[in-house]
Amino acid sequence: LAKTTQPISMDSYEGQEVNITCSHNNIATNDYITWYQQFPSQGPRFIIQGYKTKVTNEVASLFIPADRKSSTLSLPRVSLSDTAVYYCLVGDEMGGGADGLTFGKGTHLIIQP
Amino acid sequence: DTAVSQTPKYLVTQMGNDKSIKCEQNLGHDTMYWYKQDSKKFLKIMFSYNNKELIINETVPNRFSPKSPDKAHLNLHINSLELGDSAVYFCASSHGGGSYEQYFGPGTRLTVT
Repeated sequence: LAKTTQPISMDSYEGQEVNITCSHNNIATNDYITWYQQFPSQGPRFIIQGYKTKVTNEVASLFIPADRKSSTLSLPRVSLSDTAVYYCLVGDEMGGGADGLTFGKGTHLIIQP
Repeated sequence: DTAVSQTPKYLVTQMGNDKSIKCEQNLGHDTMYWYKQDSKKFLKIMFSYNNKELIINETVPNRFSPKSPDKAHLNLHINSLELGDSAVYFCASSHGGGSYEQYFGPGTRLTVT
């Protein structure tokens, strides 16, 4: 079971770049890294997924070092609306177990004006 | 059109009662899930179904019984409700299992008194 470790909370200010790091020392060869965002009273929303190096989409970038034992979600120029809980998940796409479905406690990101 | 819908949104009931939560997805996905998010915001997988077959059944009391009449529906029936069952229950769906991108419903807040 590839467990993940994230900071409980982070603070930043509008317009800043925010980087949230997730540790997953026991990541397996077939595992992908997936990040979700959750606002209060809503279900989680997929942000980005990657396997190695760097992935970028319209909302975030995901940096994964060569050893894949950690990953960093980067949110460029955050706004107040980015205040949410961010979850890092690690698992493979075979879906044989709950490994890739363990959300943990996430990182509560608070953006201030 | 709502991709993943749940009913009801709020459910208040007394201990010992039996209740059901319904979930429907119109995304054509093969896999559906039930998650429980408790008061500490810890989001845990309960069940996963793929093409109407149970794939994942985490350590959930057998008072909880998922039922999938077809690929688009996954209902959750709970017998003999207990105080500890109070939580927000999220339904989700994905194209495949494991780390595939999941789409979550709005959640059902269950309060057992």
